[in-house]
Amino acid sequence: DIVMTQSPLSLSVTPGEPASISCRSSQSLLHRNGDTFFAWYLQKPGQSPQVLIYLGSNRASGVPDRFSGSVSGTDFTLKISRVEAEDVGVYYCMQGLQTPYTFGQGTKLEIK
Amino acid sequence: EAQLVESGGGLVEPGGSLRLSCVVSELTFSSYWMHWVRQAPGKGLVWVSRMDTVGSVIDYADSVRGRFTISRDNARRTLFLQMNSLRAEDTAVYYCVRDLVGRRDSWGQGTLVTVSS
Repeated sequence: DIVMTQSPLSLSVTPGEPASISCRSSQSLLHRNGDTFFAWYLQKPGQSPQVLIYLGSNRASGVPDRFSGSVSGTDFTLKISRVEAEDVGVYYCMQGLQTPYTFGQGTKLEIK
Repeated sequence: EAQLVESGGGLVEPGGSLRLSCVVSELTFSSYWMHWVRQAPGKGLVWVSRMDTVGSVIDYADSVRGRFTISRDNARRTLFLQMNSLRAEDTAVYYCVRDLVGRRDSWGQGTLVTVSS
C-alpha cells in the first residue's frame, strides 16, 4: 500500500499569518497519462470533507485563492497565504493512484 | 453543484447486515466513478470501495472484501453498499464520494453505522 505521511499533525496559527502543511507519499503518484493522483481535503468541525486541491495542484471550484498546492516528486505542500477563522478543521492528503486509496493522518489547524 | 445524499445507516448487532444508499442529484451520475469512504468516531478517513461507471471495475479495502458489496443503478442515480457480517470495527460514518481526487470530487453528508449488541 502507498503510505501518506503528513506533517505537522497539529498547527496553531494567528489569523492573517501563513500556514503550510506537508505530505509525502511512499511512491510516485504520477500516472502514465500525466495526471498526479493526489488531493487535499479539509474537514471542518461537524462537516463532511471537502476537496481543496485535486489532481496534484489544481484548486477546486469555489476554494479561495489563498489556498495553493504544489508538488515536487513525492512531496506535496498545501499553503494558506493568510489564515482565516473559517479555515479551522482537519486537513487530509490522499492518494488515488492505486487501491487501496490512502489518506494521511490528518493535520488539525486551530486559530490562536 | 451535485448533492449526494446517503441513507440506510443505523444500529445493527454484530453479524448483521445493512444496505446503504446514496442518491446523486445530477443527471451526470453515470459519468463518474463512485466511492465509499468511512470515518470511525474521532478517527481519520479510510477508503472502503470504488466502482467505475458501468460496474466493470470494482475494488475493496482488505478489511471489507468478501463482506461488503458495492453496486450502482445509473437509471436511479444511486450508489449502494451492501454490508454483511458486520463487526464492531465497522462502526463509522460512511461517505459516498463522486470522482474522488478528480475535478468533480464531491462528498455526501454521511450516514452513521453503529455495530453493537
